[in-house]
Amino acid sequence: DIVMTQSPDSLAVSLGERATISCKSSQSVLYSSNNKNYLAWYQQKPGQPLKLLIYWASTRESGVPDRFSGSGSGTDFTLTISSLQAEDVAVYYCHQYYSTPYTFGQGTKLEIK
Amino acid sequence: QVQLVQSGAEVKKPGASVRVSCKASGYTFTEYYMHWVRQAPGQGLEWMGWINPYSGDTNYAQKFQGRVTMTRDTSIRTAYMEVRRLRSDDTAVYYCARVGVGATRVGYFDYWGQGILVTVSS
Repeated sequence: DIVMTQSPDSLAVSLGERATISCKSSQSVLYSSNNKNYLAWYQQKPGQPLKLLIYWASTRESGVPDRFSGSGSGTDFTLTISSLQAEDVAVYYCHQYYSTPYTFGQGTKLEIK
Repeated sequence: QVQLVQSGAEVKKPGASVRVSCKASGYTFTEYYMHWVRQAPGQGLEWMGWINPYSGDTNYAQKFQGRVTMTRDTSIRTAYMEVRRLRSDDTAVYYCARVGVGATRVGYFDYWGQGILVTVSS
């Protein structure tokens, strides 16, 4: 199974500042035949289902604010929120869909400092 | 718009079975694979398996093989998951989630149901 490890487990950032979350996979999720990274990022607010933010490691889902961006390749990925807003308080998860069993990071709780 | 609406909360005793449902609307049900993911209280996310709504083909995580069955009823655009021989550690919120790319089991999840809390307690 591919193990997904996020860091940090929790993060407090001031409004308007940048937030950065790291996700590392235990093996590459880059599919060489199409050069795509099978990595997604989700946001979860209390009592709500997950919301897709980023897929193919760097493609922003329709309707997601452009302050959210994803980067990385192979085994190392980053979710960046360029200017934190109050509504961004949530838990963020990375997810590999390269191979089954699909696996998720343990989550990073983002709070306002 | 795409919606996945799941059935209500369940309380079951250890050893019992539970069947949860996920009703799809706003898209062609048979064109997108459906996956199931669970989240135990305060815990992470655990992938359980997928169903191809067109063919009924399924694939389960090894951990759940023999204890989980995923089915669908295309006439009412609904996916189901049954979990048998429930244990206390099956207490979790169970989500259905649609693959964001049509006609493939491989992909990110672009729409999620609201989740169903299944509580297993004697």
